[in-house]
Amino acid sequence: NAGVTQTPKFQVLKTGQSMTLQCAQDMNHEYMSWYRQDPGMGLRLIHYSVGAGITDQGEVPNGYNVSRSTTEDFPLRLLSAAPSQTSVYFCASSYSSMGTVQTQYFGPGTRLLVL
Amino acid sequence: KNQVEQSPQSLIILEGKNCTLQCNYTVSPFSNLRWYKQDTGRGPVSLTIMTFSENTKSNGRYTATLDADTKQSSLHITASQLSDSASYICVVRLSGGGADGLTFGKGTHLIIQP
Repeated sequence: NAGVTQTPKFQVLKTGQSMTLQCAQDMNHEYMSWYRQDPGMGLRLIHYSVGAGITDQGEVPNGYNVSRSTTEDFPLRLLSAAPSQTSVYFCASSYSSMGTVQTQYFGPGTRLLVL
Repeated sequence: KNQVEQSPQSLIILEGKNCTLQCNYTVSPFSNLRWYKQDTGRGPVSLTIMTFSENTKSNGRYTATLDADTKQSSLHITASQLSDSASYICVVRLSGGGADGLTFGKGTHLIIQP
């Protein structure tokens, strides 16, 4: 199993550009989520999905869109990049909702710089 | 407000020594507490998960303890190795919370010196 994969590893954008961060998992996990990690702060939830076709907002959803057309894939779209979106983005998955004691698996991260 | 506070912020110890990292939380109602290890430039990796009824859980040289009454947890690393150099993140799950109900601490940055 490849686990959770993310592409690209690193990206530089100009303000106003759009892009999609890709996330895929091959563990047949129902639950997937996107976080951002900024210096001096804990990970913050952007969006999450409890299954194909179902998504919801997390703590910091503004400026981001998600979709979940398949169990495996959960892309994150930046609509119009802003310097405040410079961050490291992590995708994570688990077998089911975090309400149960499920191990959460993280991808390697995408480092995004917005100029 | 639900918060997870970790101490110390950073720690340097010599290889072979033991250390203990602290986590205090105000998350309520509590569901479970997790410790993650995050190597530089990598995603977090789960070390332990403890529910309300568990006082201690081990994963190799890592031992986590939980006191749900005082809302404190610790992660003890025994006989440290250079590969233990990483950030250690405490995460608390809210029972019945919205979204994923997880509150992440800022982490303790641990450096093991030879």
